[in-house]
Amino acid sequence: EAGVAQSPRYKIIEKRQSVAFWCNPISGHATLYWYQQILGQGPKLLIQFQNNGVVDDSQLPKDRFSAERLKGVDSTLKIQPAKLEDSAVYLCASSLRMLERYNEQFFGPGTRLTVL
Amino acid sequence: AQRVTQPEKLLSVFKGAPVELKCNYSYSGSPELFWYVQYSRQRLQLLLRHISRESIKGFTADLNKGETSFHLKKPFAQEEDSAMYYCALSPGDTGKLIFGQGTTLQVKP
Repeated sequence: EAGVAQSPRYKIIEKRQSVAFWCNPISGHATLYWYQQILGQGPKLLIQFQNNGVVDDSQLPKDRFSAERLKGVDSTLKIQPAKLEDSAVYLCASSLRMLERYNEQFFGPGTRLTVL
Repeated sequence: AQRVTQPEKLLSVFKGAPVELKCNYSYSGSPELFWYVQYSRQRLQLLLRHISRESIKGFTADLNKGETSFHLKKPFAQEEDSAMYYCALSPGDTGKLIFGQGTTLQVKP
């Protein structure tokens, strides 16, 4: 089966510019996650969707980050305007169901963002 | 506070030596814990989960609630085990993961 797809793989922008990342989860997976991984740290959850509804966005910097999952399939994460500290790898993951603590999450290859 | 701590950034061993990657957690409820692994130029993937009590690629991990630990062990390291290992905690019922900082395992020939 095809895995989680993400694009672009790499992005370099200047501070105060905008950027968007796209994720296509595994077909049939109801839950989608966006994580931010800063160099030298583990992934940190930004937002979690169940179908097209937000389950958890408590760590999303809402003044500059936004995300949507229209039709409960693909998702887009946007940063506007970007700051230097947003330089990180942005990982998308999906899992079959929510409300199940033992769910395996399947990760995409990530988008490496560099903000200059 | 919900937190996962991996005290070692880098663990370097020789092939055939035993390996123990340390993981400590902070969580007031009943934890569900995982180990994820990222091999060079590959995606982050599940290695094993506490609930399954299984051995994957020779690795095992035992939950010690008294010491709030979930260390990953393998009796004889192989060069192909070289990777970044992340311990993760799933709190509550949403399925989200809280990751530790990761430990790079380097197995030398």
